Amino acid sequence: GAGVSQSPRYKVAKRGQDVALRCDPISGHVSLFWYQQALGQGPEFLTYFQNEAQLDKSGLPSDRFFAERPEGSVSTLKIQRTQQEDSAVYLCASSTDRGLGSDTQYFGPGTRLTVL
Amino acid sequence: GNSVTQMEGPVTLSEEAFLTINCTYTATGYPSLFWYVQYPGEGLQLLLKATKADDKGSNKGFEATYRKETTSFHLEKGSVQVSDSAVYFCALTNYGGSQGNLIFGKGTKLSVKP
Repeated sequence: GAGVSQSPRYKVAKRGQDVALRCDPISGHVSLFWYQQALGQGPEFLTYFQNEAQLDKSGLPSDRFFAERPEGSVSTLKIQRTQQEDSAVYLCASSTDRGLGSDTQYFGPGTRLTVL
Repeated sequence: GNSVTQMEGPVTLSEEAFLTINCTYTATGYPSLFWYVQYPGEGLQLLLKATKADDKGSNKGFEATYRKETTSFHLEKGSVQVSDSAVYFCALTNYGGSQGNLIFGKGTKLSVKP
């Protein structure tokens, strides 16, 4: 079956531009997570949705980062006025988990963002 | 806070060698523990997991045992292959937490030479 898909796979932005990154989770998955992975590091949590509700956004690094999942399926991570330190791979993951933390998260291929 | 510490790489082994990648954690409550693998050019994939103390996760010849007394979840494989070359991430989530997001270690790069 289809896995988690993300688009675009690669994005180059000039400093100050706004970008939007899309995630299509596995159909029927309740939970959706966004992570940021800097080069040579492990992924770091950004935000979490359960259906359309954003239950945790404690990992978003600044108010330039905004995420939504209006219909409880597709999610978009938006970064306004991009800075060079935003350059990273942005990963989306989904699971059937309803907050127990024991279920498998399935990851998309990621979007590699480069800010010049 | 919760955290994961794993041995730094890179690790270079010859084919058929024994592999151990150490992972220790700090967590409140009862975390679930995971090993994820990232093959070159691919996304993160779950390798194995364990959800309670003394559980052993296993997959593709890899094993890890959830040791609460030593707060460890070391990854082992008896005989590695070239195809095992990848970056391995140890991770945890907090059971019963409000969201269950993963907390990852920094990753260990494994290179297996023929």
